[in-house]
Amino acid sequence: GQQVMQIPQYQHVQEGEDFTTYCNSSTTLSNIQWYKQRPGGHPVFLIQLVKSGEVKKQKRLTFQFGEAKKNSSLHITATQTTDVGTYFCAGIEGGSEKLVFGKGTKLTVNP
Amino acid sequence: DAGITQSPRHKVTETGTPVTLRCHQTENHRYMYWYRQDPGHGLRLIHYSYGVKDTDKGEVSDGYSVSRSKTEDFLLTLESATSSQTSVYFCAIGGPGHSYEQYFGPGTRLTVT
Repeated sequence: GQQVMQIPQYQHVQEGEDFTTYCNSSTTLSNIQWYKQRPGGHPVFLIQLVKSGEVKKQKRLTFQFGEAKKNSSLHITATQTTDVGTYFCAGIEGGSEKLVFGKGTKLTVNP
Repeated sequence: DAGITQSPRHKVTETGTPVTLRCHQTENHRYMYWYRQDPGHGLRLIHYSYGVKDTDKGEVSDGYSVSRSKTEDFLLTLESATSSQTSVYFCAIGGPGHSYEQYFGPGTRLTVT
């Protein structure tokens, strides 16, 4: 079945440093989504990418969807302590009703 | 946050006892999902529903059953709880028909002793 791999599993950065997490699917995706989960909280939808090669920005966050629609990345510029949490990617194969989540990247930021 | 509530929020139960978790939504979404979250495994789909009385299995459905008699309620039942079912359970709504994005409830922390 469909698998979504996400790396790294953990990332520790100093405040102000950049951060990137990568997501790779074993199959071609119709779209990919990103979620953020704060410690003790629930996953919160951030963004969805649909088109091959798509790039979207939300303030300091940049999301990319690969040309082959099998990989994606989330880049945070100049991290802040408010960025702490676990970032998940989740993909959908064409025609499926189910999201398949990566295992997440846990980001800690040292002030 | 979307109008999703889960009950109970915390539960401790003994091995072998039945447990039912409830998810309630006020958004009239057709699709509802149950996930479990465990360290090192991320979010894994247990069951989902695509309408009243319409449900299907996810990747970790063994030991779980679900029911949906009303649009707003989706119940997850552990027929005979085991220690391996100790986890945090999240309900979500959304999916097809709503740009595929999902909105999660606050979660239920279940401990099976």
